[in-house]
Amino acid sequence: GENVEQHPSTLSVQEGDSAVIKCTYSDSASNYFPWYKQELGKRPQLIIDIRSNVGEKKDQRIAVTLNKTAKHFSLHITETQPEDSAVYFCAAGGGNQFYFGTGTSLTVIP
Amino acid sequence: GAGVSQTPSNKVTEKGKYVELRCDPISGHTALYWYRQSLGQGPEFLIYFQGTGAADDSGLPNDRFFAVRPEGSVSTLKIQRTERGDSAVYLCASSLTGGLNEQFFGPGTRLTVL
Repeated sequence: GENVEQHPSTLSVQEGDSAVIKCTYSDSASNYFPWYKQELGKRPQLIIDIRSNVGEKKDQRIAVTLNKTAKHFSLHITETQPEDSAVYFCAAGGGNQFYFGTGTSLTVIP
Repeated sequence: GAGVSQTPSNKVTEKGKYVELRCDPISGHTALYWYRQSLGQGPEFLIYFQGTGAADDSGLPNDRFFAVRPEGSVSTLKIQRTERGDSAVYLCASSLTGGLNEQFFGPGTRLTVL
């Protein structure tokens, strides 16, 4: 089955700086890569996703890049704000199953 | 419109008991997923329904776990002979048609087995 690894597990940045979270996956059949934000005690919410036929996608301060050859994808958050503080999960899948990374706890220091 | 809802929000039970967890997906969503999330971990896939049928139940950890979706809408996750290791947050998600579509998560049911 699929194996998704996510790094780093914790990340602290100053407000206004950029944050980068990286994930690798093992199953070359995976073709959908969503990123979820989960605040403490709340449900995961999709922030951005990318499909395998695209190398990069941007939505305001958030961007995701995908390298299918190397089987890795990254989340980039620019101009971070305190409200970006949360746990971020990457996931890989696209068929019946989805596999999540172990999460990155992002803290944005005002 | 209404999002995915789950009941109960919290469930405390004793080891060996039977529990049922309910998920109400977004109306019209044919795909429904169950996940289990332990503290400090990402959601772990359990089972995927497409309509009324379980299209993939390969994530269910053992035969104590079972899920149904008889009318293609509400789903119930059933756990028999609960063990302390079953304690976790059980998340349900629905998606319009599955596959490459966004999954919308419910708030989860926190299960504690004493």
